[in-house]
Amino acid sequence: RKEVEQDPGPFNVPEGATVAFNCTYSNSASQSFFWYRQDCRKEPKLLMSVYSSGNEDGRFTAQLNRASQYISLLIRDSKLSDSATYLCVVKRNTGYQFYFGTGTSLTVIP
Amino acid sequence: NAGVTQTPKFRVLKTGQSMTLLCAQDMNHEYMYWYRQDPGMGLRLIHYSVGEGTTAKGEVPDGYNVSRLKKQNFLLGLESAAPSQTSVYFCASRDEARGEYFGPGTRLTVT
Repeated sequence: RKEVEQDPGPFNVPEGATVAFNCTYSNSASQSFFWYRQDCRKEPKLLMSVYSSGNEDGRFTAQLNRASQYISLLIRDSKLSDSATYLCVVKRNTGYQFYFGTGTSLTVIP
Repeated sequence: NAGVTQTPKFRVLKTGQSMTLLCAQDMNHEYMYWYRQDPGMGLRLIHYSVGEGTTAKGEVPDGYNVSRLKKQNFLLGLESAAPSQTSVYFCASRDEARGEYFGPGTRLTVT
């Protein structure tokens, strides 16, 4: 079983829409959680960390559900510039490795 | 502050040739990583380092070697390139609080 699994999409949504991505992780010892954004042919960039109580950064809201072992990312009022691939990333409480999902593709349509 | 840089950006190798990819970071991070990214596979860890002079294997280390002689540099070597090593290679360094910072990537094609 993969350490991190994501729906690859693609998600095609109109400008202004709200869209949500989920990601599941297999190891209950996972401790740190992140969402990264990757534009086509570019490097991944940190979008936001995910905290146990949930956290918000502008139009972006991240949630963690430890009981069900999933994290989510909600994007409100989608902009054209939000078009990218969103990577879910998990780190266990031991070791140094970050585990990356394969990414969910989002296209925001005018 | 350049962050994480990688050289070269692109390279084409013939099967059996060797090359070294250089990663440099100016953020004084202890941890550095080499990943490869292939379609449908996500980012897979090749090797990593937790400090100057230390290296360790990741998920897919075969065919690669690394060295971390200086804290700011992490080198990835391919001794005898194979077509299966055609990929995009990303280097990253880590900040404890904020996760990983990636370099711009090296696109390698092995023919």
